[in-house]
Amino acid sequence: DVKVTQSSRYLVKRTGEKVFLECVQDMDHENMFWYRQDPGLGLRLIYFSYDVKMKEKGDIPEGYSVSREKKERFSLILESASTNQTSMYLCASSPRVTEQYFGPGTRLTVT
Amino acid sequence: AQSVSQHNHHVILSEAASLELGCNYSYGGTVNLFWYVQYPGQHLQLLLKYFSGDPLVKGIKGFEAEFIKSKFSFNLRKPSVQWSDTAEYFCAVNDDGGATNKLIFGTGTLLAVQP
Repeated sequence: DVKVTQSSRYLVKRTGEKVFLECVQDMDHENMFWYRQDPGLGLRLIYFSYDVKMKEKGDIPEGYSVSREKKERFSLILESASTNQTSMYLCASSPRVTEQYFGPGTRLTVT
Repeated sequence: AQSVSQHNHHVILSEAASLELGCNYSYGGTVNLFWYVQYPGQHLQLLLKYFSGDPLVKGIKGFEAEFIKSKFSFNLRKPSVQWSDTAEYFCAVNDDGGATNKLIFGTGTLLAVQP
């Protein structure tokens, strides 16, 4: 079974803090993705990576950055957290051409 | 830009009723299509997918979807729903032939099945 794990299920941070969300997959997948999920808006792509050290912006990259130093790990960084970044963050991975496999999500609250 | 529309935001059905959830996309070229489901408290999981071939696709738990290219649609169906089908359903489209496997998601449909 494919396993995508995320470092925290729940996280509470203060405005202005630097926040790291970690995602690890155990299936040697080339592609990895970060989404945020908000009620009524569905899933929106923040960043994705199709190879180590490669990254591309998704639809809503502002306020976020990513890092992929190893194939199995894809990190999402909030440089200076703001209240409008309170959301559910989902990580996913996939091989070249097939469906994506999702992690359990991290519910981030910024106060 | 490519967009995916799910017109039913919230659907309430009784057990044994039939289900059809709409999904329309805007891209006119080759697409890969997906339906994902998120049960309460669980992670997103794949229900079914269409890449090519038979436009009627069967997925897990008795779900099926039909790709109608002329209507840019990929509607999800189930003949008889159960209480355990209560979940949020997302349609998703890949429009770059899988070059990046990037997906565009619809806004989701929340299905509540009453026993």
